Order: sequence, then C-alpha cells, then structure tokens
Amino acid sequence: EAGVTQFPSHSVIEKGQTVTLRCDPISGHDNLYWYRRVMGKEIKFLLHFVKESKQDESGMPNNRFLAERTGGTYSTLKVQPAELEDSGVYFCASSKTGGLYYNEQFFGPGTRLTVL
Amino acid sequence: RKEVEQDPGPFNVPEGATVAFNCTYSNSASQSFFWYRQDCRKEPKLLMSVYSSGNEDGRFTAQLNRASQYISLLIRDSKLSDSATYLCVAGRGSTLGRLYFGRGTQLTVWP
Repeated sequence: EAGVTQFPSHSVIEKGQTVTLRCDPISGHDNLYWYRRVMGKEIKFLLHFVKESKQDESGMPNNRFLAERTGGTYSTLKVQPAELEDSGVYFCASSKTGGLYYNEQFFGPGTRLTVL
Repeated sequence: RKEVEQDPGPFNVPEGATVAFNCTYSNSASQSFFWYRQDCRKEPKLLMSVYSSGNEDGRFTAQLNRASQYISLLIRDSKLSDSATYLCVAGRGSTLGRLYFGRGTQLTVWP
C-alpha cells in the first residue's frame, strides 16, 4: 500500500512569490493533516481536514496560508505571498476515520520550503 | 510555555545500554500520548502509543503519569539502529487529531 506522498520534495522561492504544496493521503483515509517544522523548533499543527471539510484550522499562522481538499482526496497548501519566516519543512499526515478515538497518523516525507 | 517539553540531548550510549527519555506536557486536556521516531531528514513514524497502565513493545517501554503530566520511554539493550530523534507527542482536539510535538531527543548508539 502506498504511503502519504508529498510534492515537491524541495522548493526554493523568493520572498513575495507563491508556492503550492500538494499532499496525497493514503487511499481511504478521511483525515488529512498539515504540520510545519520551522528550523530549530518543534513540529507544529496547522490544520485538519475530515474529507473535504476543515475540522480544525486553528494552527494556520495567518491568511497568507490557504489549504484546500476538493473532493476529499488530495490536498494543497498555498502560501501567497511567501515570507522569509515561512521557510521550513511542511509535513502532511493522514489517518483513518476513528470517531472520537485517535487513529495513527501516517506522515509523508515532507516538503522542504526555502524562502530567500 | 511549550505544550510538550523534552530534553533535547544528545544522548550517546554504547550498544547494549539502557536509556530513558522523559517529557512533560502542559495541558491537562491532552488525552492521547505517543512516542514517534524520526530519522535524519525523514518523516516522523509512530513508535508506540502511551497508556497510563504502561505498555511494552519488545525492548521499548512507555509510561504515562497523568497526575504529574509526565511521559517516559525506556529503551533496553540499545541497538545501532535505534539511533534517531525521539519525539514526545500529546494529542487532543475534537477527534484527538491535533498532535503537539516536543522538539525531540537525539539518541546516538555507538558500537
């Protein structure tokens, strides 16, 4: 079974540009999460989709970040316009539907974003 | 105050040693707890869930103390392949899907 995939693996852009990250969850996983690790800091939650709906987006840093999951399959995370502090590794994770109980989150390899 | 605090290490131990990692979490509303392992420049992978009753998986033993909001991981008979960063994680939220990560504890096992 294929794991969570993310594209691109690396992205280098200039401040003010736009970047779109893509995540393909494990087939059949309704839950999709985005996390970010900024250099020297811990991995931080950004948001959680259940199918195509945003369940929790309280971790999104500001309105320059837009996440979508049209059709409840893959998800995109757009940063527009990018700022220097957006540099970091963006992880996507997915899990099965688990009702009130935790289901293991499987992480993708991450997208390493560098904003110059 | 950080949600999850853990000693960043590094811990450098010889093969066969026993090593213990600890972490604390600040929010008593946290309901699920885990140890993840992350190899260099790779994604985090679930090592084990942590329960109040304590749980063991081979050489790994995890313990949770809700009263003191403390989580531990014990690795016995360390192997070279155990070298990695160990992330202490607490979960909460409507579906317990929101995970809070510690910064990780780096372990190097030497021959």
